[in-house]
Amino acid sequence: SQQGEEDPQALSIQEGENATMNCSYKTSINNLQWYRQNSGRGLVHLILIRSNEREKHSGRLRVTLDTSKKSSSLLITASRAADTASYFCATALQGAQKLVFGQGTRLTINP
Amino acid sequence: GAVVSQHPSWVICKSGTSVKIECRSLDFQATTMFWYRQFPKQSLMLMATSNEGSKATYEQGVEKDKFLINHASLTLSTLTVTSAHPEDSSFYICSGEGLAFYEQYFGPGTRLTVT
Repeated sequence: SQQGEEDPQALSIQEGENATMNCSYKTSINNLQWYRQNSGRGLVHLILIRSNEREKHSGRLRVTLDTSKKSSSLLITASRAADTASYFCATALQGAQKLVFGQGTRLTINP
Repeated sequence: GAVVSQHPSWVICKSGTSVKIECRSLDFQATTMFWYRQFPKQSLMLMATSNEGSKATYEQGVEKDKFLINHASLTLSTLTVTSAHPEDSSFYICSGEGLAFYEQYFGPGTRLTVT
Protein backbone atom coordinates (compact mmCIF):
# COMPACT_ATOMS: atom_id res chain seq x y z
CA SER A 1 0.00 0.00 0.00
CA GLN A 2 1.11 3.55 -0.52
CA GLN A 3 3.09 5.10 2.29
CA GLY A 4 2.76 8.67 1.21
CA GLU A 5 -0.24 10.85 0.70
CA GLU A 6 0.23 14.01 -1.26
CA ASP A 7 -1.85 17.09 -1.52
CA PRO A 8 -3.07 18.72 -3.48
CA GLN A 9 -3.63 16.07 -6.14
CA ALA A 10 -3.59 18.79 -8.75
CA LEU A 11 -2.37 22.36 -8.67
CA SER A 12 -2.65 25.02 -11.35
CA ILE A 13 -0.91 28.38 -10.94
CA GLN A 14 0.37 31.27 -13.02
CA GLU A 15 3.94 31.47 -14.15
CA GLY A 16 6.03 33.32 -11.62
CA GLU A 17 4.00 32.22 -8.63
CA ASN A 18 5.24 29.81 -6.01
CA ALA A 19 3.97 26.24 -5.85
CA THR A 20 3.76 24.25 -2.65
CA MET A 21 3.12 20.52 -2.46
CA ASN A 22 2.76 18.47 0.67
CA CYS A 23 3.50 14.86 1.49
CA SER A 24 2.55 12.87 4.56
CA TYR A 25 3.75 9.42 5.49
CA LYS A 26 2.98 6.81 8.10
CA THR A 27 6.08 5.07 9.40
CA SER A 28 9.62 5.99 10.41
CA ILE A 29 11.88 6.86 7.53
CA ASN A 30 15.56 7.06 6.75
CA ASN A 31 15.05 9.80 4.20
CA LEU A 32 12.44 11.36 1.95
CA GLN A 33 12.98 12.15 -1.70
CA TRP A 34 11.16 14.26 -4.25
CA TYR A 35 10.95 13.37 -7.92
CA ARG A 36 9.54 15.03 -11.01
CA GLN A 37 7.95 13.18 -13.89
CA ASN A 38 7.01 14.75 -17.18
CA SER A 39 4.09 13.13 -18.92
CA GLY A 40 4.97 9.67 -20.16
CA ARG A 41 8.58 9.97 -19.15
CA GLY A 42 10.89 8.63 -16.46
CA LEU A 43 11.57 10.13 -13.07
CA VAL A 44 14.01 12.91 -12.36
CA HIS A 45 15.46 13.03 -8.86
CA LEU A 46 15.08 16.49 -7.37
CA ILE A 47 16.20 16.40 -3.79
CA LEU A 48 16.79 14.07 -0.85
CA ILE A 49 16.31 15.10 2.75
CA ARG A 50 17.47 12.86 5.55
CA SER A 51 15.44 12.19 8.66
CA ASN A 52 17.78 14.31 10.79
CA GLU A 53 17.47 17.31 8.47
CA ARG A 54 14.69 19.87 8.64
CA GLU A 55 15.18 21.93 5.51
CA LYS A 56 17.09 21.69 2.29
CA HIS A 57 17.49 23.96 -0.72
CA SER A 58 18.44 23.32 -4.31
CA GLY A 59 18.10 26.20 -6.72
CA ARG A 60 14.44 27.22 -6.78
CA LEU A 61 13.46 24.20 -4.69
CA ARG A 62 12.99 24.21 -0.95
CA VAL A 63 12.09 21.07 0.93
CA THR A 64 11.12 20.83 4.57
CA LEU A 65 10.72 17.76 6.72
CA ASP A 66 8.84 17.49 9.99
CA THR A 67 9.36 14.02 11.38
CA SER A 68 7.11 14.70 14.37
CA LYS A 69 4.21 15.31 11.99
CA LYS A 70 5.49 12.80 9.44
CA SER A 71 5.18 15.35 6.70
CA SER A 72 7.25 17.12 4.09
CA SER A 73 6.68 19.99 1.73
CA LEU A 74 8.20 20.95 -1.59
CA LEU A 75 8.22 24.60 -2.55
CA ILE A 76 9.04 25.69 -6.07
CA THR A 77 9.65 29.41 -6.24
CA ALA A 78 9.19 31.65 -9.28
CA SER A 79 7.56 28.85 -11.25
CA ARG A 80 8.14 28.43 -14.97
CA ALA A 81 6.10 26.74 -17.67
CA ALA A 82 8.79 24.05 -17.81
CA ASP A 83 7.97 23.10 -14.21
CA THR A 84 4.68 21.61 -15.44
CA ALA A 85 4.92 17.95 -14.42
CA SER A 86 3.86 15.47 -11.78
CA TYR A 87 5.77 15.57 -8.52
CA PHE A 88 6.14 12.57 -6.26
CA CYS A 89 7.51 12.16 -2.80
CA ALA A 90 9.13 8.85 -1.96
CA THR A 91 10.08 7.58 1.44
CA ALA A 92 12.98 5.30 2.20
CA LEU A 93 11.83 3.28 5.16
CA GLN A 94 14.21 2.50 7.96
CA GLY A 95 15.76 -0.91 7.48
CA ALA A 96 14.39 -1.38 3.99
CA GLN A 97 15.98 -0.89 0.60
CA LYS A 98 12.89 0.09 -1.26
CA LEU A 99 11.24 3.45 -1.87
CA VAL A 100 7.54 3.93 -1.36
CA PHE A 101 5.95 6.58 -3.53
CA GLY A 102 3.17 8.98 -2.74
CA GLN A 103 0.20 9.52 -5.02
CA GLY A 104 1.74 12.56 -6.64
CA THR A 105 0.73 16.14 -7.38
CA ARG A 106 0.04 17.19 -10.96
CA LEU A 107 1.36 20.72 -11.30
CA THR A 108 0.36 22.94 -14.20
CA ILE A 109 2.07 26.28 -14.74
CA ASN A 110 0.03 28.60 -16.92
CA PRO A 111 2.01 31.08 -19.00
CA GLY B 1 24.99 11.33 -12.78
CA ALA B 2 24.32 7.64 -13.07
CA VAL B 3 22.37 6.60 -16.15
CA VAL B 4 19.89 3.78 -16.53
CA SER B 5 18.47 2.78 -19.88
CA GLN B 6 15.47 0.67 -20.77
CA HIS B 7 14.71 -1.18 -23.94
CA PRO B 8 12.36 -1.04 -25.65
CA SER B 9 10.88 2.35 -24.86
CA TRP B 10 7.51 1.15 -26.07
CA VAL B 11 6.10 -2.14 -27.25
CA ILE B 12 2.78 -3.38 -28.53
CA CYS B 13 2.06 -7.07 -28.31
CA LYS B 14 -0.86 -9.40 -28.76
CA SER B 15 -2.66 -10.99 -25.89
CA GLY B 16 -1.08 -14.28 -24.88
CA THR B 17 2.43 -13.45 -25.99
CA SER B 18 5.44 -12.69 -23.79
CA VAL B 19 7.42 -9.50 -23.73
CA LYS B 20 10.90 -8.89 -22.34
CA ILE B 21 12.01 -5.49 -21.06
CA GLU B 22 15.67 -4.77 -20.42
CA CYS B 23 17.06 -2.43 -17.80
CA ARG B 24 20.74 -1.49 -17.96
CA SER B 25 22.90 0.60 -15.71
CA LEU B 26 25.26 2.29 -18.16
CA ASP B 27 27.94 3.83 -15.99
CA PHE B 28 27.63 2.13 -12.64
CA GLN B 29 27.14 -1.31 -11.23
CA ALA B 30 23.77 -1.95 -9.69
CA THR B 31 23.74 -4.82 -7.25
CA THR B 32 20.08 -4.12 -6.69
CA MET B 33 17.52 -3.12 -9.26
CA PHE B 34 13.85 -2.34 -8.75
CA TRP B 35 10.89 -2.76 -11.08
CA TYR B 36 7.85 -0.51 -10.85
CA ARG B 37 4.56 -0.34 -12.66
CA GLN B 38 2.62 2.85 -13.24
CA PHE B 39 -0.92 3.09 -14.53
CA PRO B 40 -2.11 6.32 -16.19
CA LYS B 41 -2.37 9.25 -13.81
CA GLN B 42 -1.28 7.06 -10.90
CA SER B 43 1.81 6.67 -8.83
CA LEU B 44 4.59 4.12 -9.11
CA MET B 45 3.94 0.79 -7.49
CA LEU B 46 6.94 -1.37 -6.66
CA MET B 47 6.64 -4.79 -8.23
CA ALA B 48 9.86 -6.44 -7.17
CA THR B 49 13.37 -5.98 -5.90
CA SER B 50 16.06 -7.76 -7.84
CA ASN B 51 19.49 -8.59 -6.49
CA GLU B 52 22.26 -9.71 -8.81
CA GLY B 53 22.70 -13.44 -8.77
CA SER B 54 19.71 -14.23 -6.60
CA LYS B 55 15.97 -14.56 -6.88
CA ALA B 56 13.86 -11.44 -6.96
CA THR B 57 11.69 -10.44 -4.06
CA TYR B 58 8.16 -9.71 -5.18
CA GLU B 59 5.72 -7.35 -3.53
CA GLN B 60 2.46 -8.69 -2.22
CA GLY B 61 -0.03 -9.24 -4.99
CA VAL B 62 2.52 -9.44 -7.80
CA GLU B 63 2.53 -12.82 -9.55
CA LYS B 64 6.11 -14.01 -9.78
CA ASP B 65 5.27 -16.58 -12.46
CA LYS B 66 3.77 -13.89 -14.62
CA PHE B 67 6.44 -11.26 -14.15
CA LEU B 68 9.76 -13.05 -14.49
CA ILE B 69 12.77 -11.09 -13.34
CA ASN B 70 16.34 -12.00 -14.10
CA HIS B 71 19.33 -10.06 -12.78
CA ALA B 72 22.23 -11.98 -14.26
CA SER B 73 24.85 -9.23 -14.14
CA LEU B 74 25.61 -6.05 -12.26
CA THR B 75 24.45 -3.95 -15.19
CA LEU B 76 21.45 -5.80 -16.56
CA SER B 77 18.08 -6.84 -15.23
CA THR B 78 15.21 -8.09 -17.35
CA LEU B 79 11.48 -8.23 -16.76
CA THR B 80 9.49 -10.69 -18.83
CA VAL B 81 5.74 -10.32 -18.88
CA THR B 82 4.48 -13.80 -19.71
CA SER B 83 1.16 -14.51 -21.38
CA ALA B 84 0.38 -10.83 -21.46
CA HIS B 85 -3.20 -9.62 -21.21
CA PRO B 86 -4.70 -6.18 -21.84
CA GLU B 87 -4.76 -5.47 -18.10
CA ASP B 88 -0.96 -5.75 -18.11
CA SER B 89 -0.81 -2.66 -20.30
CA SER B 90 1.11 -0.14 -18.26
CA PHE B 91 4.26 1.93 -17.95
CA TYR B 92 7.09 -0.15 -16.52
CA ILE B 93 10.00 1.65 -14.90
CA CYS B 94 13.19 0.20 -13.51
CA SER B 95 15.79 1.71 -11.25
CA GLY B 96 19.25 0.76 -10.12
CA GLU B 97 20.61 1.34 -6.67
CA GLY B 98 23.79 3.39 -6.64
CA LEU B 99 26.74 3.27 -4.32
CA ALA B 100 24.88 5.16 -1.63
CA PHE B 101 22.21 3.16 0.07
CA TYR B 102 18.71 4.48 -0.67
CA GLU B 103 19.92 6.16 -3.84
CA GLN B 104 18.05 4.98 -6.92
CA TYR B 105 18.56 5.99 -10.53
CA PHE B 106 15.54 5.55 -12.73
CA GLY B 107 15.25 4.44 -16.31
CA PRO B 108 13.06 6.28 -18.82
CA GLY B 109 10.34 3.65 -18.69
CA THR B 110 8.78 1.21 -21.14
CA ARG B 111 5.20 1.58 -22.26
CA LEU B 112 3.58 -1.78 -22.83
CA THR B 113 0.32 -2.04 -24.72
CA VAL B 114 -1.32 -5.44 -24.99
CA THR B 115 -4.01 -5.74 -27.66
